[in-house]
Amino acid sequence: GQSLEQPSEVTAVEGAIVQINCTYQTSGFYGLSWYQQHDGGAPTFLSYNALDGLEETGRFSSFLSRSDSYGYLLLQELQMKDSASYFCAVEDNYQLIWGAGTKLIIKP
Amino acid sequence: DADVTQTPRNRITKTGKRIMLECSQTKGHDRMYWYRQDPGLGLRLIYYSFDVKDINKGEISDGYSVSRQAQAKFSLSLESAIPNQTALYFCATSDFGGKKSYNEQFFGPGTRLTVL
Repeated sequence: GQSLEQPSEVTAVEGAIVQINCTYQTSGFYGLSWYQQHDGGAPTFLSYNALDGLEETGRFSSFLSRSDSYGYLLLQELQMKDSASYFCAVEDNYQLIWGAGTKLIIKP
Repeated sequence: DADVTQTPRNRITKTGKRIMLECSQTKGHDRMYWYRQDPGLGLRLIYYSFDVKDINKGEISDGYSVSRQAQAKFSLSLESAIPNQTALYFCATSDFGGKKSYNEQFFGPGTRLTVL
């Protein structure tokens, strides 16, 4: 079967750094994406990794290790507005296969 | 202006009723998708379409049908709604295969459907 595992909830302090992990087991793999979804909102694209290594976009970075079937999203200098759910998704040819999401709770 | 719109935004219906959810996009993307989201389960693909003549079933298509009326319009129908179809439904578009080399998806605001 196909599965993506990510923690259901992560708590961090404003201004700190947090890492959200994602492990996957899928029949096909072209790349790993991350999406952010605020409560009541739609998912929005954050990042994409097709090759091993780190991709940086401002305060957010995403890492991929294809040999370990593992990736993570790193959020730095956390702000209250980063409180949201974060989804990893594997690109498998014609579709995205989604993880169940990680709810990020940020405390002042 | 929103690039991907969905109507209605909220809908309450009764078991057995037929209901249609509509999606329109102004992004000019060929690929369109319908998902449902349930708490704790992430997004699950119902149907997807690569162009007007190419429509495919996703992971959970039973109980649903779709129509791609034009490049910009993709509708989802529940022929006879049942309570376990209560969920948040999202439409998405992608330019993957066009100008984009990866499947970045753009989502509409969602339709919250309740089946009593």
